[in-house]
Amino acid sequence: EVQLVESGGGLVQPGGSLRLSCVASGFTFSTYWMSWVRQAPGKGLEWVANINQDGSEKYYVDSVKGRFTISRDNAKNSLYLQMNSLRAEDTAVYYCARTFRGVIYYSYYYYIDVWGKGTTVTVS
Amino acid sequence: QSVLTQPPSVSAAPGQKVTISCSGSSSNIGNNYVSWYQQFPGTAPKLLIYDNNKRPSGIPDRFSGSKSGTSATLGITGLQTGDEADYYCGTWDSSLSAVFGGGTKLTVL
Repeated sequence: EVQLVESGGGLVQPGGSLRLSCVASGFTFSTYWMSWVRQAPGKGLEWVANINQDGSEKYYVDSVKGRFTISRDNAKNSLYLQMNSLRAEDTAVYYCARTFRGVIYYSYYYYIDVWGKGTTVTVS
Repeated sequence: QSVLTQPPSVSAAPGQKVTISCSGSSSNIGNNYVSWYQQFPGTAPKLLIYDNNKRPSGIPDRFSGSKSGTSATLGITGLQTGDEADYYCGTWDSSLSAVFGGGTKLTVL
């Protein structure tokens, strides 16, 4: 069974740090792009960051650039999100997501086919 | 304010058809492929449509997707009470970021 399990969420004070982890199983982790997507309480989905198969390409939403770092360890089938200088507006459920991203005839495709159950981060 | 614009809510009766729009620009929908997701309260989203109009295995053909210019549409026919959920569109943007719509709450009356 394809599965993503997040951990590492919790309550942290503004300015603090947290490291989220996501362990993948049931598929060849090293062959997929991966993403973090968050959802603030009562709000919509917000893409946070994604990373390519070998970690050489990383992209971030503007609001987290310089504060968050996405990384992966293919030997451990794991995805990470290091979050520093946390703010109240970072409070959300954070989802780990298996991602398809590429280019066909100069058009990008990007979609998420597997989501974890999420881990909750509260900054207060 | 989301980069992609969706109506906050739509509604229709059981058995009817509903469409949900997603409006963007040439930097996102206009030149890239669109995906759609369904989310029930307290659960993770689920992929419904990818590459504008393709359905993953297991998604019934009651769900369809289309794209024209800088807008995309999700269609749901034969509405069921179990379709009540939030629906999100998503795509890649030339600013090198993924973007989602603000979400649409579907009510089956």
